[in-house]
Amino acid sequence: ETGVTQTPRHLVMGMTNKKSLKCEQHLGHNAMYWYKQSAKKPLELMFVYNFKEQTENNSVPSRFSPECPNSSHLFLHLHTLQPEDSALYLCASSQVMASYNEQFFGPGTRLTVL
Amino acid sequence: EDQVTQSPEALRLQEGESSSLNCSYTVSGLRGLFWYRQDPGKGPEFLFTLYSAGEEKEKERLKATLTKKESFLHITAPKPEDSATYLCAVFAGGSYIPTFGRGTSLIVHP
Repeated sequence: ETGVTQTPRHLVMGMTNKKSLKCEQHLGHNAMYWYKQSAKKPLELMFVYNFKEQTENNSVPSRFSPECPNSSHLFLHLHTLQPEDSALYLCASSQVMASYNEQFFGPGTRLTVL
Repeated sequence: EDQVTQSPEALRLQEGESSSLNCSYTVSGLRGLFWYRQDPGKGPEFLFTLYSAGEEKEKERLKATLTKKESFLHITAPKPEDSATYLCAVFAGGSYIPTFGRGTSLIVHP
């Protein structure tokens, strides 16, 4: 595997389900990010981890819970979601957070909440 | 209010018809401007980084330029495979979090 990988690529869940999104980066980076991408909107930053420590939580509802066990892996745990949470969820990584470096993105998870 | 504005929102070109996409920003203390390409159903793919006014970067048919207020992505003699959404993002001030624009959807017809 190379770059940033995400699983699953597609997910359909009911409002009462619990599911998790997984991200893995193979670039040796130390910062990882979760973004939400909705139609006609700019990318919305959700969470940032730098060296496994959460440094940003962009006022995200508690029904989204991130986890970063090490610098290569990032999870987004989902529970009791709403239909408006349907979107493309993107994971990204960069060398470190305290720099102005480009971010590398995974392919995303297309989430549909019924 | 958007600090990063991309225009046009959508652009249709004929193959070989050169054009430019615009990314204007109203931030203080620009630290870096990034261009990404995003194909449908995929994540953004990094294209260029520009750090200072006057800087230019090129890759195949794409050329990115930067001024103190905006950046242009010039597409020379585009091909249908250049069809994608092009995103612009900026780092500004003391923030290490980039601000993204809404993107320009480019369609190149054969």
